[in-house]
Amino acid sequence: DGGITQSPKYLFRKEGQNVTLSCEQNLNHDAMYWYRQDPGQGLRLIYYSQIVNDFQKGDIAEGYSVSREKKESFPLTVTSAQKNPTAFYLCASSMDRGREKLFFGSGTQLSVL
Amino acid sequence: GQSLEQPSEVTAVEGAIVQINCTYQTSGFYGLSWYQQHDGGAPTFLSYNGLDGLEETGRFSSFLSRSDSYGYLLLQELQMKDSASYFCAVRGSSASKIIFGSGTRLSIRP
Repeated sequence: DGGITQSPKYLFRKEGQNVTLSCEQNLNHDAMYWYRQDPGQGLRLIYYSQIVNDFQKGDIAEGYSVSREKKESFPLTVTSAQKNPTAFYLCASSMDRGREKLFFGSGTQLSVL
Repeated sequence: GQSLEQPSEVTAVEGAIVQINCTYQTSGFYGLSWYQQHDGGAPTFLSYNGLDGLEETGRFSSFLSRSDSYGYLLLQELQMKDSASYFCAVRGSSASKIIFGSGTRLSIRP
């Protein structure tokens, strides 16, 4: 079955450490997105990518980095510069046409030790 | 910039009808979408409006008025399983950039 896979489901970060969240899709979608969700809050856009080797900053990109070397993969690195990284991170993808419909992964809960 | 406003909480009775409103402010506009998210889960797509008017999908309908920068999600024949958070989202200044509202938590009473 096609879908989006995020791993790990739970991740713990130590002070000063960089961590990478994985996002893989086999839907052959061109566009991919990373959102951050804090408890009881909406989704805030971190980064998005329309095609391979291209990505743009969203509204809260500071302290995060991404790469898009393959169409199916869009990993997110939470760097030590992100001082408040505890949140639920959601990866999504959409087709080039019909971009209005996002397909989401099951999310990664990141916590700070 | 872009912003969306929706009520933070709505309570309704099982079997009733509820409307969740969304107003938006964007520099460009390509469409308004609605998503449902149960606690601990991922958002799932419900509906999309690119043009003015009403879109119906089973018990759920969504409406858009571009001149008023306003839309709503209408849920009919409410069931307990409809208890969830509902988010409106817009595709704005960049055709691929999709921004979400802060969400409306719908609680349903028996």
